[in-house]
Amino acid sequence: GDSVTQMEGPVTLSEEAFLTINCTYTATGYPSLFWYVQYPGEGLQLLLKATKADDKGSNKGFEATYRKETTSFHLEKGSVQVSDSAVYFCALYPATSSNTGKLIFGQGTTLQVKP
Amino acid sequence: DTGVSQNPRHKITKRGQNVTFRCDPISEHNRLYWYRQTLGQGPEFLTYFQNEAQLEKSRLLSDRFSAERPKGSFSTLEIQRTEQGDSAMYLCASSGGHGYTFGSGTRLTVV
Repeated sequence: GDSVTQMEGPVTLSEEAFLTINCTYTATGYPSLFWYVQYPGEGLQLLLKATKADDKGSNKGFEATYRKETTSFHLEKGSVQVSDSAVYFCALYPATSSNTGKLIFGQGTTLQVKP
Repeated sequence: DTGVSQNPRHKITKRGQNVTFRCDPISEHNRLYWYRQTLGQGPEFLTYFQNEAQLEKSRLLSDRFSAERPKGSFSTLEIQRTEQGDSAMYLCASSGGHGYTFGSGTRLTVV
């Protein structure tokens, strides 16, 4: 079945460092891909998305490019801030026409940014 | 509209007790989802409603779990005879076809 694999955390960075969180997926066809962020005590918030191959999603300085050839959707940010400390989830929306809209999530990667 | 609302935020219960959670989705959203998130894991799909019809249930949803969405508005998730393994964050999300909005979740601790 469809699945998402994220790099293990926690990822600890100093402020202004470059961030990469790896995400790879297994799916039939061309799923839609998402990154969600979860701050402590809060629900998941959509960070960015891409719906077809080579699309780049971007928001708040974060970017991710849908790479069909490597089945990847890595999250990047050029300069992280302490306020970016959170748990980041990669997710996919399967391409099958019978899908009910349920998302399949990776296990999450905790990012800690130190001043 | 204030988004998706879930109540209670936290629930501590003794093993064997029944618990019920409530989710109030965004009013114009016809799709409603329940997910379960255990510590260190991503959310896992439990069940899905389109309006008042429950259209899909995960194998994770044992017979001790039941969900309803009367009149296609709010939804409830009940767990009967709770077990320690039920301890988790229960997330509700709604969708109107252009992406999800998640609630803040109900954290259940079974002692």
